[in-house]
Amino acid sequence: SQTIHQWPATLVQPVGSPLSLECTVEGTSNPNLYWYRQAAGRGLQLLFYSVGIGQISSEVPQNLSASRPQDRQFILSSKKLLLSDSGFYLCAWRYKGTDTQYFGPGTRLTVL
Amino acid sequence: DAKTTQPPSMDCAEGRAANLPCNHSTISGNEYVYWYRQIHSQGPQYIIHGLKNNETNEMASLIITEDRKSSTLILPHATLRDTAVYYCIVRVSTNAGKSTFGDGTTLTVKP
Repeated sequence: SQTIHQWPATLVQPVGSPLSLECTVEGTSNPNLYWYRQAAGRGLQLLFYSVGIGQISSEVPQNLSASRPQDRQFILSSKKLLLSDSGFYLCAWRYKGTDTQYFGPGTRLTVL
Repeated sequence: DAKTTQPPSMDCAEGRAANLPCNHSTISGNEYVYWYRQIHSQGPQYIIHGLKNNETNEMASLIITEDRKSSTLILPHATLRDTAVYYCIVRVSTNAGKSTFGDGTTLTVKP
């Protein structure tokens, strides 16, 4: 069976500090991968998606970046966090050729 | 992708059917209707999807109107564990598979 992992579960970081959130998928190969952010009480905003290793598409310009160094690894990064980067970050994967996305447990980031 | 409109909140009595509406009046012929739900502080969970026929699975039923401009997600016997935010999404089936999640409907199941 397939599983998706995200870590850490919660994170508190000062403004201006760097960020690295990791997402890994097990039990599948060559998935599409997605990073979403969710503000409190709001819907999900798609940040990045990837259809393959090294292939990243950005949906919203901001101070975040994403990388896919391995087939089942998706990393969200920032060099300098802003207060507005606080939120619930969700990673998701999807089989190519299907439409259902499967979400990870999320990382709750608080920037102080 | 077509925009969807959902009521911000709904209540339902435990054991009764929960009917969650979604308007998608600008849907195009190749766009599917998807429903996900998100229990507090967890990632969204896929529920069901359809193109134009009604669909049913172990979790819910999806009723799509004949003109496809609206749909209803039905939870036949709501339980307290069904309390969640329910998202209706309309999009084309593409390789990228990008989805836009709006604010959804917060369903509260009450004892």
